[in-house]
Amino acid sequence: GQQVMQIPQYQHVQEGEDFTTYCNSSTTLSNIQWYKQRPGGHPVFLIQLVKSGEVKKQKRLTFQFGEAKKNSSLHITATQTTDVGTYFCAGRGGGFKTIFGAGTRLFVKA
Amino acid sequence: DGGITQSPKYLFRKEGQNVTLSCEQNLNHDAMYWYRQDPGQGLRLIYYSQIVNDFQKGDIAEGYSVSREKKESFPLTVTSAQKNPTAFYLCASSIDGTTYEQYFGPGTRLTVT
Repeated sequence: GQQVMQIPQYQHVQEGEDFTTYCNSSTTLSNIQWYKQRPGGHPVFLIQLVKSGEVKKQKRLTFQFGEAKKNSSLHITATQTTDVGTYFCAGRGGGFKTIFGAGTRLFVKA
Repeated sequence: DGGITQSPKYLFRKEGQNVTLSCEQNLNHDAMYWYRQDPGQGLRLIYYSQIVNDFQKGDIAEGYSVSREKKESFPLTVTSAQKNPTAFYLCASSIDGTTYEQYFGPGTRLTVT
C-alpha cells in the first residue's frame, strides 16, 4: 500500500539555524499537505501543494513539491523558539485516504 | 465560533470497559476522521466517514467502532477488544474527502489501567 516516509525523525538546532524535513512517497501523490503540531497540541494545517515542482513560501517557511510528485520538503530559515513542534507531511494518492508521515520533531535551543 | 470539539480532554478507564469519545463539528464539513497517536509517533487512521450514515475502516480499525447518524457528530467507541487502548485520540473533519485540508480537534488522551 501507499507509504509516506519522513526524515529525520528528530532535529535539534540552535536558534537562528536553518531546518529542513523531507517527505517521500512510494507512489505518485495528487497533493501533499503539511501540518504542525505544537507539544501537547493538535495538528494544524500549514499548506497544500498540488502542482509538480510547486514552491510556496510562508514567511520563513518554504515548501516544495517534487517534479515527480513523490517527494516534498519543508525548509525553515533562521529558526525561532516558536518553531518548536512536530511537522507532518500528509499525502494523498489516487484513493480517498490521506496518509500521514511519522513527523519530524524540531527542538530549538535558545 | 466554528470548530471541532472533543470531550473530555482526559479520560481514565479500567481495563475491560468500553468507552465512547465525543467529536462534534459545526463547520458543516461532510468528511470526518478518527486518528490515534502514540508517543513520538505519527497519526494512524482508525475510521473515516465521507458522508452521513456512511463510514469506512482505516488502517487500525480493530477494537474500535463508530457511528455517523448526524453530519456534525462522529463518536468513537473504544471497546474492550482493543489490546492497547491507551493513546491520544484525534478527531478531524474536512469539507469533503477529496482535496481539502483537515481541521483537527484538541484531542482526547485516554488512559486505560
